[in-house]
Amino acid sequence: AQTVTQSQPEMSVQEAETVTLSCTYDTSESDYYLFWYKQPPSRQMILVIRQEAYKQQNATENRFSVNFQKAAKSFSLKISDSQLGDAAMYFCAYRSPNTGNQFYFGTGTSLTVIP
Amino acid sequence: DTGVSQNPRHKITKRGQNVTFRCDPISEHNRLYWYRQTLGQGPEFLTYFQNEAQLEKSRLLSDRFSAERPKGSFSTLEIQRTEQGDSAMYLCASSPYGYEQYFGPGTRLTVT
Repeated sequence: AQTVTQSQPEMSVQEAETVTLSCTYDTSESDYYLFWYKQPPSRQMILVIRQEAYKQQNATENRFSVNFQKAAKSFSLKISDSQLGDAAMYFCAYRSPNTGNQFYFGTGTSLTVIP
Repeated sequence: DTGVSQNPRHKITKRGQNVTFRCDPISEHNRLYWYRQTLGQGPEFLTYFQNEAQLEKSRLLSDRFSAERPKGSFSTLEIQRTEQGDSAMYLCASSPYGYEQYFGPGTRLTVT
């Protein structure tokens, strides 16, 4: 099975600053999808950003962008101009098109935004 | 469209009892997933439906767990003879194409 590793259990950032959350994954597949999900305290998970492995261009959604390094199997999330509402658990997820739509999640990074 | 809903939101049960959770996906989504999430961990895949067909089950899903999606709409997850190790958040997600998933708020199970 694919594994997803988030090596930073906790991160903090000053409001309005930039923070990068790391994610690496292990796969032998060439085509797959990667996601970052946000889970605010006591609230449901919501999709932040997605990346198709066949696309070389890094995905961007407003203040959120990714640095996708396929050869290195790395998929980091950059949050610019951090806001208090960005405080949450962030999960990196991998989806294989070949193993029945299973999603594999990392253990998460808890982000604190300091006012 | 109100999103994915799950009921109940919290369930406390005694060890050995049976519990059933319900998930109502987004109406046009034909794919439905169940996950289990324990404290400090990411969601772990349990099972997946496409319409009413249960296409995949995790090896984590013991014989005490069963899931159904009888008409390809809502789904239920039943745990028989609950154990303390079953205490967790049970998440449901739905997807229109399997490309990305939309999660419900979860059902928090506490087994005493």
